[in-house]
Amino acid sequence: GQQLNQSPQSMFIQEGEDVSMNCTSSSIFNTWLWYKQDPGEGPVLLIALYKAGELTSNGRLTAQFGITRKDSFLNISASIPSDVGIYFCAGQLNAGNMLTFGGGTRLMVKP
Amino acid sequence: DSGVTQTPKHLITATGQRVTLRCSPRSGDLSVYWYQQSLDQGLQFLIHYYNGEERAKGNILERFSAQQFPDLHSELNLSSLELGDSALYFCASSVGRRGNSPLHFGNGTRLTVT
Repeated sequence: GQQLNQSPQSMFIQEGEDVSMNCTSSSIFNTWLWYKQDPGEGPVLLIALYKAGELTSNGRLTAQFGITRKDSFLNISASIPSDVGIYFCAGQLNAGNMLTFGGGTRLMVKP
Repeated sequence: DSGVTQTPKHLITATGQRVTLRCSPRSGDLSVYWYQQSLDQGLQFLIHYYNGEERAKGNILERFSAQQFPDLHSELNLSSLELGDSALYFCASSVGRRGNSPLHFGNGTRLTVT
């Protein structure tokens, strides 16, 4: 089946630093999504990407849909303590299909 | 608030028992998905329903079953529970099969099997 490799698995950074994480896949997806999960809660959608090469921003977050459709990255600029959590990438082949999730990147921010 | 409601929030039960987890999707969403998240693990897809019909199955054990009712709420039934079934179970909903409709997740049911 499809596999999503997400890296890094964890990051411990200083407040104010920029963060970059990425996902690669063994096969193509037509939609890439990035979610954040806080402790005790469900994943919350951050950014959705629907077109190869698309670059989309949401505040301090920027994500890109790789041109090969097999990868995506998420950047967070000027990190703040509330950015702490687990970030998941997810790929979807077609609308209505299940999401395949990466293993997550645990982000820790030191004030 | 995602608009997806899951109950109960916590469930503690013994091995061999059976439990039912409930999910109410966002208003207007026809698709419901169930995912399992074990400790410090990613989300594993279990099953997908669209407008009352099963659409796809993932790594769902035969001891587990689900259904989606005419009012579109869904239930996940877990039977003959084992210690390894302890996990967070998430429900997600989306509009359906067409268009760009990302999944929106509930806050999950934490199941502890003792």
